[in-house]
Amino acid sequence: AQSVTQLDSHVSVSEGTPVLLRCNYSSSYSPSLFWYVQHPNKGLQLLLKYTSAATLVKGINGFEAEFKKSETSFHLTKPSAHMSDAAEYFCVVSAPGGGSNYKLTFGKGTLLTVNP
Amino acid sequence: DTAVSQTPKYLVTQMGNDKSIKCEQNLGHDTMYWYKQDSKKFLKIMFSYNNKELIINETVPNRFSPKSPDKAHLNLHINSLELGDSAVYFCASSQVGVRGPRVAFFGQGTRLTVV
Repeated sequence: AQSVTQLDSHVSVSEGTPVLLRCNYSSSYSPSLFWYVQHPNKGLQLLLKYTSAATLVKGINGFEAEFKKSETSFHLTKPSAHMSDAAEYFCVVSAPGGGSNYKLTFGKGTLLTVNP
Repeated sequence: DTAVSQTPKYLVTQMGNDKSIKCEQNLGHDTMYWYKQDSKKFLKIMFSYNNKELIINETVPNRFSPKSPDKAHLNLHINSLELGDSAVYFCASSQVGVRGPRVAFFGQGTRLTVV
């Protein structure tokens, strides 16, 4: 069984300030973890993925996330927010490997607003 | 050259009607999915097909029937539409990576409104 909890439903930051979106997971295995972003009325775009190769994962648009097994966390960060970062962000967990690993479990999302 | 494409993008229909949403991927992936996103933005898997075989069928009313004519297509047919079916439906596809894990690529979504 697997689940993911996004600790904040809404995060508001000022442009140029750091972003922190929090995610905790639960999994019977060493999980695969992802962050997806959804801009208004758009589809979902992969930001980054954790593949167990490195605990600090760099993604697109300056985002990165750190996998911390002891804390079962995979928080998403960015040093400096840009107006274009305003969107809904989803933390996603799945069982490891390929093969029979078909199911992605989504968190409930965190809405990021960026104030000028 | 869109990777995962869904049609239509918007669908407005009356209760009781039957409608279909089509999905095609040109990524050569072996697995396709349908997800439903409710009004609170929560995404939940409905179905998954691997090489045209149904492998995930979450608790979905049997009014919803997926059909995969080939690996590149996964269509969703909905009978006797109800108000509660109003949502955004996302198609996705994935392929196991060399080192895993599977990464899912999503379509732009179909916003279904039942009136």
